[in-house]
Amino acid sequence: EIVMTQTPLSSPVTLGQPASISCRSSRSLVHSDGNTYLSWLQQRPGQPPRPLIYKISKRFSGVPDRFSGSGAGTDFTLKISRVEAEDVGVYYCTQATQFPWTFGQGTKVEIK
Amino acid sequence: QVQLVQSGAEVKEPGASVKVSCKASGYIFINYGINWVRQAPGQRLEWMGWINGDTGDTKYSQNFQGRVTITRDKPATTAYMELSSLRSEDTAVYYCARDPGQWGQGTLVTVSS
Repeated sequence: EIVMTQTPLSSPVTLGQPASISCRSSRSLVHSDGNTYLSWLQQRPGQPPRPLIYKISKRFSGVPDRFSGSGAGTDFTLKISRVEAEDVGVYYCTQATQFPWTFGQGTKVEIK
Repeated sequence: QVQLVQSGAEVKEPGASVKVSCKASGYIFINYGINWVRQAPGQRLEWMGWINGDTGDTKYSQNFQGRVTITRDKPATTAYMELSSLRSEDTAVYYCARDPGQWGQGTLVTVSS
């Protein structure tokens, strides 16, 4: 299975400052159809995962534009341009290029 | 809009089975599969398996082989996940997800004697 590794595991950030999370996959996530099925999810305590980004960089409807995704192949990044209080939570990268779906360990974003 | 609505919380004894449902609406059920993902307390998300909404073909995680069965009822646009031989380590929130963009609200399954 494809192993997803996130860094850092914890990210204390000052309000209004940027945050960045890296995700590396053990194999290329490029599907035979040419798409790369790398997504980012946000999870607040006691809540189900909230989808933020799909296919590396496309934002789901309603996701603020301060969230952006980038990368290719095996290396991907989620950036929050200016962290707001509501952004506190755990962020997961996930790949759906190949069964089984796999997830990163999660990165906890908290306010300093 | 797309909605996945799961059944309510369950408490089971060790050795029992649990069956969780996921009612889909807002899209053509047979055009998509349904995945099941679980999250134990403080742990990362873990994929359990998938079912093709049309054909009923399934794929399962090796971590659950023999213990998990995923089924679907096309007319009812509902998918089911049954986990047997429950143990305390199976205490978790179980989610259905059509794809990374559409998730159910989660079902807490507690295994305790």
